[in-house]
Amino acid sequence: DTEVTQTPKHLVMGMTNKKSLKCEQHMGHRAMYWYKQKAKKPPELMFVYSYEKLSINESVPSRFSPECPNSSLLNLHLHALQPEDSALYLCASSQERQGSYNEQFFGPGTRLTVL
Amino acid sequence: EDKVVQSPLSLVVHEGDTVTLNCSYEVTNFRSLLWYKQEKKAPTFLFMLTSSGIEKKSGRLSSILDKKELFSILNITATQTGDSAIYLCAVTGSAGGTSYGKLTFGQGTILTVHP
Repeated sequence: DTEVTQTPKHLVMGMTNKKSLKCEQHMGHRAMYWYKQKAKKPPELMFVYSYEKLSINESVPSRFSPECPNSSLLNLHLHALQPEDSALYLCASSQERQGSYNEQFFGPGTRLTVL
Repeated sequence: EDKVVQSPLSLVVHEGDTVTLNCSYEVTNFRSLLWYKQEKKAPTFLFMLTSSGIEKKSGRLSSILDKKELFSILNITATQTGDSAIYLCAVTGSAGGTSYGKLTFGQGTILTVHP
């Protein structure tokens, strides 16, 4: 299995809703990532998990809450979002090996619309 | 702050043409440079380059890195309409000494191939 899967594909939510985005990989990768991508812009890193521990938080607002329940799963919990948070949310994973350079593989993304 | 600049920002060609996409970068503790192709959804991995002067090839696509001049090029020969996409260049630097690093993307080159 050489893919990263994400659910749901599309999500529409109100500003008072609580929802979660899910990401799964079965490639044995120990680093997982959340990116946000606005239209016509490159992906922007939000969070990095390494061995199920949060290692990078790119100053993301607390209304986004990541969780890594195990080495294959990554969640992004959403609460009290703003319309400007509407974007494509991409999950990625990569090998985590000391001294080696690892390409990241991306999931298909969740298209989020906040009303 | 790490920086990646791609040129041109957009390119329109006809099938059969050869194109060269450029990527220049500034990054602390450079580890690797990656090329991705993005159509409607997730970026698809093309190449990872870590050593200067070694060309990587995959079919009609090839890429090379110049670590002295801090740039890379992506060549596509005999272009097809299916090559139409956004081509993203990204670099990784070391992050706390571990290997996964943070991906910093350029703004992308939009390639349109007409029949």
